[in-house]
Amino acid sequence: GAVVSQHPSWVICKSGTSVKIECRSLDFQATTMFWYRQFPKQSLMLMATSNEGSKATYEQGVEKDKFLINHASLTLSTLTVTSAHPEDSSFYICSAAPSAAADSPLHFGNGTRLTVT
Amino acid sequence: SQQGEEDPQALSIQEGENATMNCSYKTSINNLQWYRQNSGRGLVHLILIRSNEREKHSGRLRVTLDTSKKSSSLLITASRAADTASYFCATAGNTGKLIFGQGTTLQVKP
Repeated sequence: GAVVSQHPSWVICKSGTSVKIECRSLDFQATTMFWYRQFPKQSLMLMATSNEGSKATYEQGVEKDKFLINHASLTLSTLTVTSAHPEDSSFYICSAAPSAAADSPLHFGNGTRLTVT
Repeated sequence: SQQGEEDPQALSIQEGENATMNCSYKTSINNLQWYRQNSGRGLVHLILIRSNEREKHSGRLRVTLDTSKKSSSLLITASRAADTASYFCATAGNTGKLIFGQGTTLQVKP
């Protein structure tokens, strides 16, 4: 159980276009989902906390108008990279927890490799 | 922002040997978790240790936590080639957010 599905697994887009990444909790409801970004051979950087039915909470230094997050249902959060540029190329990973308990581990999607040309 | 440091950054051992990875953090925590990541994939949860626990075991994994030193270690015993991956510690505070360490890349040679 506790499966998180992320789509697409990879995407190549041209500079200036927008890309949407979906994150779904398949067998549980998630009021909160987290979006991370990972550069090659580096750790995960938390970008934002996605809250169902309300605005996302962005970490310091993350542009909310650049990385649009929508959490319209208890099983789906989307991250849209707007007006993408080559420096946005990265590995984006979403995660969610089946329970709001503080000691509930996160379940991760398999990530989306974004390449902006 | 990153929580802290992990060491070593990279570790290469022979199959059957034990692998030890260390993690340090900076702020107070509710729990500390270890995750594994195979190249180009998402993360898989391995083990969670609460702030009031000192040691925890799960199969070939042993985790220790020293809150006075703000550090944790992950021991993988009798390593296998399939254990080759990156390992990350992550700390959880009151907000529910997980903050990850820099990670240790483990290579287990058959």
